[in-house]
Amino acid sequence: AQTVTQSQPEMSVQEAETVTLSCTYDTSESDYYLFWYKQPPSRQMILVIRQEAYKQQNATENRFSVNFQKAAKSFSLKISDSQLGDAAMYFCAYRRGETSGSRLTFGEGTQLTVNP
Amino acid sequence: DGGITQSPKYLFRKEGQNVTLSCEQNLNHDAMYWYRQDPGQGLRLIYYSQIVNDFQKGDIAEGYSVSREKKESFPLTVTSAQKNPTAFYLCASTNYRPYSGNTIYFGEGSWLTVV
Repeated sequence: AQTVTQSQPEMSVQEAETVTLSCTYDTSESDYYLFWYKQPPSRQMILVIRQEAYKQQNATENRFSVNFQKAAKSFSLKISDSQLGDAAMYFCAYRRGETSGSRLTFGEGTQLTVNP
Repeated sequence: DGGITQSPKYLFRKEGQNVTLSCEQNLNHDAMYWYRQDPGQGLRLIYYSQIVNDFQKGDIAEGYSVSREKKESFPLTVTSAQKNPTAFYLCASTNYRPYSGNTIYFGEGSWLTVV
């Protein structure tokens, strides 16, 4: 069974600085997708970034980028120039590729605080 | 606009009552999921469905039931057998298509409180 582990329950960063959130996963599949979702106090799940396992290039979305290490099964999220609006719970998620009948697996989350 | 609609946003249940949370999507997604989230916690899978008229239990299915009679709809019933149903419930959907992004979409969630 696939598992996703976020080893940092809480993280904090100063405004305008950079922070990295860790995520590791365990799978025997070769085709899969990884995601980072942000959940602010409103509880709405917001997609931050997505990485396809078949792509070697790390995904980037403006101030957000990932360090995808497939062999190490690591998928960390880097937030540059942190803003107050980045404060939220962040979830790492895994899903299998084209095969149906599979679950979506989430980590336990990392609560990010941004200090002014 | 395509998306997932959950209703109601807030729901209060009396002891011994069954309540149903609605989840509708117009994304033409095959797969739909229900998650429960307790305060400060992660997402726990209740049920999921990959195709119409088929669904599988997740990790915490006891006290819940679902149906998938239409592709776009996946309602969740919280039965009186669920002893501690007060939580936030999230519905999600996704597709399994080659190289199509396959992003997981979420509804805005439903808050259920037992009174």
